[in-house]
Amino acid sequence: GQQLNQSPQSMFIQEGEDVSMNCTSSSIFNTWLWYKQDPGEGPVLLIALYKAGELTSNGRLTAQFGITRKDSFLNISASIPSDVGIYFCAGRFLNTGNQFYFGTGTSLTVIP
Amino acid sequence: SAVISQKPSRDICQRGTSLTIQCQVDSQVTMMFWYRQQPGQSLTLIATANQGSEATYESGFVIDKFPISRPNLTFSTLTVSNMSPEDSSIYLCSVSTGTGSYEQYFGPGTRLTVT
Repeated sequence: GQQLNQSPQSMFIQEGEDVSMNCTSSSIFNTWLWYKQDPGEGPVLLIALYKAGELTSNGRLTAQFGITRKDSFLNISASIPSDVGIYFCAGRFLNTGNQFYFGTGTSLTVIP
Repeated sequence: SAVISQKPSRDICQRGTSLTIQCQVDSQVTMMFWYRQQPGQSLTLIATANQGSEATYESGFVIDKFPISRPNLTFSTLTVSNMSPEDSSIYLCSVSTGTGSYEQYFGPGTRLTVT
């Protein structure tokens, strides 16, 4: 299957700091989704991206669909303790219906 | 979005037995999916549950091991058959709510431990 590499694998930051993470693929994607997963829960959809170059915000979160269509970025501004969790990207090819490939995940720890 | 529930939320099962996991959505949805998430890992698509026809399985997953039903637009089941410890995972149901919308929403998951 497709490999989506996320980096960094884990992050330890101080409360109030900004966070950046990214997701890269060897193939071109048509849709990018970003999720957050808390322990013992299912992933929660944060942001959906449909066009190259698209920049979309959801509160303190901003995600971008890379111009090359092989990458995507997620930024979190002014982190707070409840931002702790694992963040996953997911990408979909054109003409593959609703099949998404998930990234390896970025684990975020926020130190109060 | 949609509200998705799964039953059971967790179970501990013996090797060689089978477990059926239920997924219920609070509204009609076009697409339903089943994923597996092994401990500390990412999500892998098992199959797309098709209403009124056989599920579409991804490479590495077969119907005999993971039979799926979808009798209507709000309900699906996944059975994990003849379980082994390697089947210990979180099993997640997800849905896509409308034609042209590729956003997927996940249920809370079923945490399965096989001893």
